[in-house]
Amino acid sequence: DIQMTQSPASLSASLGETVTIECRASEDIYNGLAWYQQKPGKSPQLLIYNANSLHTGVPSRFSGSGSGTQYSLKINSLQSEDVASYFCQQYYNYPLTFGSGTKLEIK
Amino acid sequence: EVKLVESGGGLVQPGRSLKLSCAASGFSFNDYWMGWVRQAPGKGLEWIGEINQDSSTINYTPSLKDKFTISRDNAQNTLYLQMSKLGSEDTAIYYCARFGTYDVMDAWGQGASVTVSS
Repeated sequence: DIQMTQSPASLSASLGETVTIECRASEDIYNGLAWYQQKPGKSPQLLIYNANSLHTGVPSRFSGSGSGTQYSLKINSLQSEDVASYFCQQYYNYPLTFGSGTKLEIK
Repeated sequence: EVKLVESGGGLVQPGRSLKLSCAASGFSFNDYWMGWVRQAPGKGLEWIGEINQDSSTINYTPSLKDKFTISRDNAQNTLYLQMSKLGSEDTAIYYCARFGTYDVMDAWGQGASVTVSS
C-alpha cells in the first residue's frame, strides 16, 4: 500500500495569512493526488485533483502543487470559512489511501 | 443538484451484520463508479471500496475484503454496503461517494453513523 504522510497535524493561522499543508507519498504517485476539505460535522468535499487542478466552484485562493512523492496545498488569504480538516488522497494505485489530515484553526 | 443520501445506520451488536444504502439523485447514476469511505470517531478517512457502472469490477481495501460487500442497483439508483462480522473497530461514519473524472470522489453523502456495541 502507498502510505501518505501529511503535515502538520494541526495548524493555527490568522485571517488573511497564507498557509501550506504538505503530503508525502511513500512512492511516486505521478500526480495522482487529490485534496479534500472537511468542515466540522460535515462530509468531505473535493478541492483539488491531479495535484494542481481546481475542482469546479472551489475558490481560487486554494492551489495545489508538487510532483513525484511531494505535494502541497496552499491557501492564500485565509478566511474564517476555511476552518476545517484537510486530507490528501492518492489514487495512483489501489488501495486508495488518505493522509492522516491537518486541522486548520484561526488564531 | 447531485444528491447522495445514506441510510441504514444505527446501533448493532458485535458479530452481527448491517446493510447500508445510498440513494443517488441529480445525475445519471449508471454512468459513474461509486464507492464507500468511512471515518472512525475523531479519526481520518479510510477508503472501503468502489464499484464500476455495471458491477463487473469491484475493488476493496484488502483488510475489509472478506467482511464488506459493495453492490448497486442501477434501476433504483442505489448503492449498497453489506457489512458482516462487525466489531467495535467498525464503529464509524460511513460515507457514500461518487467517483468523477480521474478517479476522485467529487460528491459525498452526509454519512450514516454505525455504532457496534453490546
